[in-house]
Amino acid sequence: AQSVTQLDSQVPVFEEAPVELRCNYSSSVSVYLFWYVQYPNQGLQLLLKYLSGSTLVKGINGFEAEFNKSQTSFHLRKPSVHISDTAEYFCAVGLSGYALNFGKGTSLLVTP
Amino acid sequence: GAVVSQHPSWVICKSGTSVKIECRSLDFQATTMFWYRQFPKQSLMLMATSNEGSKATYEQGVEKDKFLINHASLTLSTLTVTSAHPEDSSFYICSARGRGLAGVSTGELFFGEGSRLTVL
Repeated sequence: AQSVTQLDSQVPVFEEAPVELRCNYSSSVSVYLFWYVQYPNQGLQLLLKYLSGSTLVKGINGFEAEFNKSQTSFHLRKPSVHISDTAEYFCAVGLSGYALNFGKGTSLLVTP
Repeated sequence: GAVVSQHPSWVICKSGTSVKIECRSLDFQATTMFWYRQFPKQSLMLMATSNEGSKATYEQGVEKDKFLINHASLTLSTLTVTSAHPEDSSFYICSARGRGLAGVSTGELFFGEGSRLTVL
């Protein structure tokens, strides 16, 4: 089975500062990794995904993540955040053809 | 891109009644749909997996007689909460995996907007 641990439940950050949201996964086989964002009372939107190939993945809204197999991590980063980035972020792991397993989420709060 | 639409987005019902939530893939064929439930400030918990034309597979602890899932076509899956009670109040989200859609990579799920159910 695959599992995901998001190490921070809340991350407060000032506008225009960099941010890193941490995600570690556990799996005995190779998996796909995803980051989703959820705004209040809305569904999930895909930010980026790692399937194979380059370990540095670039997504929408200026986010990127780096897959580190030795550390079983897939941390999400953004060099300069905006107020509009305030949302819940979920890291997810899965195998082809199966449902995704989600972490508990990290609440990113960007303040002026 | 692939679009998944859920309806209704908000529903309030009385205890004991049944509520149906629809999940549609608008521009692709959803061979597999997943239903998740999300409690406030918590993560998504998988309830069941449905493949078109076959019975849904429920996760442990999910009552199949309470949460009826139908996946009658490649573009529509429904979740019916039967005899709803206040503890069924939650945010229900569907997601779909498709085929034949250019640019869709293996493993990616597309999510609906979610349906918030409040049972009085």
